[in-house]
Amino acid sequence: QITLKESGPTLVKPTQTLTLTCTFSGFSLSTDRVAVGWMRQPPRKALEWLALIYWNDEEQYSSSLRSRLTVTKDTSRNQVVLTMTNMDPVDTATYYCARRSFSSTWYFDVWGRGTLVTVSS
Amino acid sequence: EIVLTQFPDFQSVTPKEKVTITCRASQFIGSSLNWYQQKPDQSPKLLIKYASQSFSGVPSRFSGSGSGTDFTLTINGLEAEDAATYYCHQSSAFPLTFGGGTKVEIK
Repeated sequence: QITLKESGPTLVKPTQTLTLTCTFSGFSLSTDRVAVGWMRQPPRKALEWLALIYWNDEEQYSSSLRSRLTVTKDTSRNQVVLTMTNMDPVDTATYYCARRSFSSTWYFDVWGRGTLVTVSS
Repeated sequence: EIVLTQFPDFQSVTPKEKVTITCRASQFIGSSLNWYQQKPDQSPKLLIKYASQSFSGVPSRFSGSGSGTDFTLTINGLEAEDAATYYCHQSSAFPLTFGGGTKVEIK
């Protein structure tokens, strides 16, 4: 069974750095054609892709948030970490991690339950 | 950036009716289009990948079609449990993008 779980602070202050951890099981991030991605969803709004990291260490980032994001992986611990600097109240959202797989095309096939992060002083 | 425009934004449908949701890409994406279902307070679930391939375990009433820039998600015979918001997502090019969502309500 493949599972992913997001963890991190539920409340951060403006200008602080957010660090979220995605801990997964049932697959390895050292397997070919596997990646883990991060998305977010502000309350009552649409999904937004943030970043992803591949089995081969390749990273990709949202164009609009690239300067604030870093994604890293720890294959031995089955974890992917997302950091987002200079948090603002508009960054209040549920943050999801998901496995990205390939068969004909790339797709996010298994998602975590998400973690709500509120940015407020 | 490839913009995905979904329509309608909202649809109120009677059970057993057919539902059609459209997703239009701002540029050619071939068949690199996936559909997700998100029920209230849940994470998204993959329904359709590569425009028309049903994901494992998805009921057969869900189907996808299209290629290039125009895509459709169809629910043949809506059931009460299908009340959700549906999103399209393109995996053709970075940055990855999602549509704005279509909320389906059961009358």
